[in-house]
Amino acid sequence: AQKITQTQPGMFVQEKEAVTLDCTYDTSDPSYGLFWYKQPSSGEMIFLIYQGSYDQQNATEGRYSLNFQKARKSANLVISASQLGDSAMYFCAMREGRATGGFKTIFGAGTRLFVKA
Amino acid sequence: DTAVSQTPKYLVTQMGNDKSIKCEQNLGHDTMYWYKQDSKKFLKIMFSYNNKELIINETVPNRFSPKSPDKAHLNLHINSLELGDSAVYFCASSQAPGQYYGYTFGSGTRLTVV
Repeated sequence: AQKITQTQPGMFVQEKEAVTLDCTYDTSDPSYGLFWYKQPSSGEMIFLIYQGSYDQQNATEGRYSLNFQKARKSANLVISASQLGDSAMYFCAMREGRATGGFKTIFGAGTRLFVKA
Repeated sequence: DTAVSQTPKYLVTQMGNDKSIKCEQNLGHDTMYWYKQDSKKFLKIMFSYNNKELIINETVPNRFSPKSPDKAHLNLHINSLELGDSAVYFCASSQAPGQYYGYTFGSGTRLTVV
């Protein structure tokens, strides 16, 4: 059963504006990690940000922040002040603990972000 | 200095051939992975090794065999290649298998079977 859902196949945002990429997840494990990765058109995968299930505060890394709503099982990525170089595919991912998920990281289907000049 | 390096970057081969993809990381990480990304960009884990020990072995055809001679290397050998094996294969590493660690990915190997 799919455990990571990204409902937006494609998103457009105007340069310098903020954008939110949605991600919901499903797990019964109380201990898990949530991640976002960026894949530009060149193909490499770049780790952006991490949120632990026990973290009280939302994670932030520069212009990236993770809006973690545990009760709703959502982990949306917010990119502030979008830049043309942000145009890429973005993947949400989750890793459960050993007992439930064997430490596998599973990925969502991705959201393609287009930044307009 | 490349952190996770995969070779080759591109691989075009005929059906039925046997091929290998090599991966090396110089980050001192304990855990390495192989992922397959299909034409729809969906990423699926194949294998994971922690300190040369196989810890994740997903449902992949047994034509795929990983080998980890040491914790810095994880190679993928594929026998009797089929058209459906065409994909991008990513190697990745993390400090440990736990749920707290992000991955560092290699640049991918685009395998095309003709």
